[in-house]
Amino acid sequence: GAVVSQHPSRVICKSGTSVKIECRSLDFQATTMFWYRQFPKQSLMLMATSNEGSKATYEQGVEKDKFLINHASLTLSTLTVTSAHPEDSSFYICSAGRGVYNEQFFGPGTRLTVL
Amino acid sequence: AQTVTQSQPEMSVQEAETVTLSCTYDTSESNYYLFWYKQPPSRQMILVIRQEAYKQQNATENRFSVNFQKAAKSFSLKISDSQLGDTAMYFCVLRRDQKLVFGQGTRLTINP
Repeated sequence: GAVVSQHPSRVICKSGTSVKIECRSLDFQATTMFWYRQFPKQSLMLMATSNEGSKATYEQGVEKDKFLINHASLTLSTLTVTSAHPEDSSFYICSAGRGVYNEQFFGPGTRLTVL
Repeated sequence: AQTVTQSQPEMSVQEAETVTLSCTYDTSESNYYLFWYKQPPSRQMILVIRQEAYKQQNATENRFSVNFQKAAKSFSLKISDSQLGDTAMYFCVLRRDQKLVFGQGTRLTINP
């Protein structure tokens, strides 16, 4: 149990376009989902915390108008990178909280390349 | 501020050997959780072991065990009888409330 999926696994887009990444909890309901960014050979940085039915909470330095997060249901959160630029190229990972302790289960990640 | 420091960017050992990964952290809270996650080449994050700060007993999961020194704010991971499949990036992680703070990671390579 506790499987989290992400779609797509990798995406290549042109500069200026928008890209949507989906994160789904497949066998449990997740009130809270999290979005991370990971640069090559670096650690994970929390971008935002997404609560179902409410606005996401962004970490300091993360542009909320650039990275739009929607958590419309207990099993789905989406991250939209708007007007993507090459510097947005990265590995994006989501996680979903489960249980009393809201333990986080991670998706497999999405590699975004902006040309 | 909460920080997690892993001072060993890379480590390499022979299969079947024991290896210890170091981690220190800083938090002003008394109640928190610590984790070790591994990220193999597939990039999928996998929970290795968790430790609750209020528990004095060190956590153990099969070949994986921790040495939790709360006063020193140290949380090392010991892998016994290392296997080729243990090759991965290992992250020491501090959790307070809902948020996870990741260390820089240690790249561990198990050689045949």
